[in-house]
Amino acid sequence: SYVLSQPPSVAVAPGQTARITCGGNDIVSKSVHWYQQKPGQAPVLVVYDDRDRPSGIPERFSGSNSGNTATLTINRVEAGDEADYYCHVYDSKNVIFGGGTKLTVL
Amino acid sequence: VQLVQSGAEVKKPGASVNVSCKASGYTFTSYTIQWVRQAPGQSLEWMGWINTGNGYTKYSQKFQGRVTITRDTSASTGYMHLSSLRSEDTAVYFCARDRVVIGNDAFDIWGQGTVVTVSS
Repeated sequence: SYVLSQPPSVAVAPGQTARITCGGNDIVSKSVHWYQQKPGQAPVLVVYDDRDRPSGIPERFSGSNSGNTATLTINRVEAGDEADYYCHVYDSKNVIFGGGTKLTVL
Repeated sequence: VQLVQSGAEVKKPGASVNVSCKASGYTFTSYTIQWVRQAPGQSLEWMGWINTGNGYTKYSQKFQGRVTITRDTSASTGYMHLSSLRSEDTAVYFCARDRVVIGNDAFDIWGQGTVVTVSS
């Protein structure tokens, strides 16, 4: 079955750029979606179809997808961005989630 | 547009649980409903989805035989039934909506989550 790999944690200082990766075999052939989840809350969609943002999501959030790695980039990180981030793809109509990455704002 | 789930449940091992997910603000039968769970401190885990228009379901192999996802179009409500509960099923259960009508897309609307606790 298809597996998505994310680093368990990423830490950045406020104002810097955070990059969260999601690795999968030939992931470029799939559409990758990203969710932000804060403690005690439901996930929120922040990027869909590799690089598109839902309305209301700041332009600081962007996505890319190439080869075997998709990346969520958060520019000018703020304290409020501290959360868990999950990538998501479909594989033969099955939903696959990555293990999640905890973003810590130092 | 929102999804509102039923309240917390406490069940004994071996029992079953039903979680409901009521949709409002959009045409219920136009968008697939997904079910995802999250054990304490763990990642998101997909359980299955239902095409709310024709009732077709797709389940994760992990839950095949134990989970049943249904919908009541007259009530704009989806249901997730999980049987033979064990302690490892203690989790928050979420429903979510596919972003586009054709399905197999991102989840743009999520329910608030339902805590299910399995304990003797």
